[in-house]
Amino acid sequence: DQQVKQNSPSLSVQEGRISILNCDYTNSMFDYFLWYKKYPAEGPTFLISISSIKDKNEDGRFTVFLNKSAKHLSLHIVPSQPGDSAVYFCAAPLSATALIFGKGTTLSVSS
Amino acid sequence: DTGVSQDPRHKITKRGQNVTFRCDPISEHNRLYWYRQTLGQGPEFLTYFQNEAQLEKSRLLSDRFSAERPKGSFSTLEIQRTEQGDSAMYLCASSLVSSGTRELFFGEGSRLTVL
Repeated sequence: DQQVKQNSPSLSVQEGRISILNCDYTNSMFDYFLWYKKYPAEGPTFLISISSIKDKNEDGRFTVFLNKSAKHLSLHIVPSQPGDSAVYFCAAPLSATALIFGKGTTLSVSS
Repeated sequence: DTGVSQDPRHKITKRGQNVTFRCDPISEHNRLYWYRQTLGQGPEFLTYFQNEAQLEKSRLLSDRFSAERPKGSFSTLEIQRTEQGDSAMYLCASSLVSSGTRELFFGEGSRLTVL
């Protein structure tokens, strides 16, 4: 049972445009969410998080929106840059010590 | 800050052999995690240590898997009698107790190929 779902395996955008990556979840008890970015041959790196008591968190070009009624969150990257090309994972805490990750979305930003 | 380091980066072995992976976390981090990632999937939690104590294990961690963190610093993950289904990237991560799972620092991973 996938509790965190990323239904789009890939996304292609042009440099300078907005990238929107989506994530759906089923467990309404999740109290925060995270986004990780992964380049080839590297481990995932933390990007941004959002608490369930907020509906938006912004960090530079990255903004995460949370819609609790729809059990949906999205990561917006504006403007997109070629260096943003990576796999993006949505994650939530399965317990106090374990995260559950989505399958990831591969973002390709072309110049 | 040298980050989380894992060794070896890539291991090729024959079915039935034993393999061991090592993880050196960021020095001041007392939380250490092992995850497994297979092709097309996100990382899946295997086990968690706080200092030297193994406090949580996933049901994915079968009896053939054993993890240790003897002195609360580096950790090892051993897989006995490897099977082809064990082929995956094994990721180690560490964090501070204060940050919990909010920001894990991952290593580059150890890729296992079982022939």
